[in-house]
Amino acid sequence: EVQLLESGGGLVQPGGSLRLSCVASGLTFRSYAMSWVRQAPGKGLEWVSAISGSGDNTYYADSVKGRFSISRDNTQNTLYLQMNSLRAEDTAVYYCAKYDRYYYYAMDVWGQGTTVTVSS
Amino acid sequence: DIVMTQTPLSSPVTLGQPASISCRSSQSLVHSDGNTYLSWLQQRPGQPPRLLIYKISNRFSGVPDRFSGSGAGTDFTLKISRVEAEDVGVYYCMQATQFPLTFGGGTKVEIK
Repeated sequence: EVQLLESGGGLVQPGGSLRLSCVASGLTFRSYAMSWVRQAPGKGLEWVSAISGSGDNTYYADSVKGRFSISRDNTQNTLYLQMNSLRAEDTAVYYCAKYDRYYYYAMDVWGQGTTVTVSS
Repeated sequence: DIVMTQTPLSSPVTLGQPASISCRSSQSLVHSDGNTYLSWLQQRPGQPPRLLIYKISNRFSGVPDRFSGSGAGTDFTLKISRVEAEDVGVYYCMQATQFPLTFGGGTKVEIK
């Protein structure tokens, strides 16, 4: 069974930084693209970023471009999201998702999420 | 960017009755490879999203056959043939034809 476990969320001041992690198990991690999706309190889903299986290709939403950086360590089966210059509007639950670009072209496995709160 | 618009915002349904959700994209979701990468996700209260349907009409593993997807081009529909109590939640369409990936605003299905 494929499982994704996020960590690293917390309370941070505006302008601060945070690094989220997502550990994957039950899959050949390096074979799959991965993605981060967030959900602000009481709001809908917003795609944040994606990365190819090799890590060579990265993609970002305009709302986070230049501030967030996605990366992965395929030897540790871990996905990361480095978040800098955080703003109040970045407050959300951040989900890690397996992004199947071979067959489904959809996010077929999701973690439980980690909560980021940006506030002074 | 492709804008995904879902209607209705909310759908109160009687148990055992059908429900239908519409999703419209601001441009065609047909990829250059000929496929259409439109998926539907369900988010039950307090839970992460869960994939229901991929490539317009294909049910993901374990998804009951009361869920069905249809459509083409820019207009898509998710139907629940007979709503059960466990179907309560918010449903999202998502396009993966091009970056940035985009979601619809969500449709809340609740029991009347």
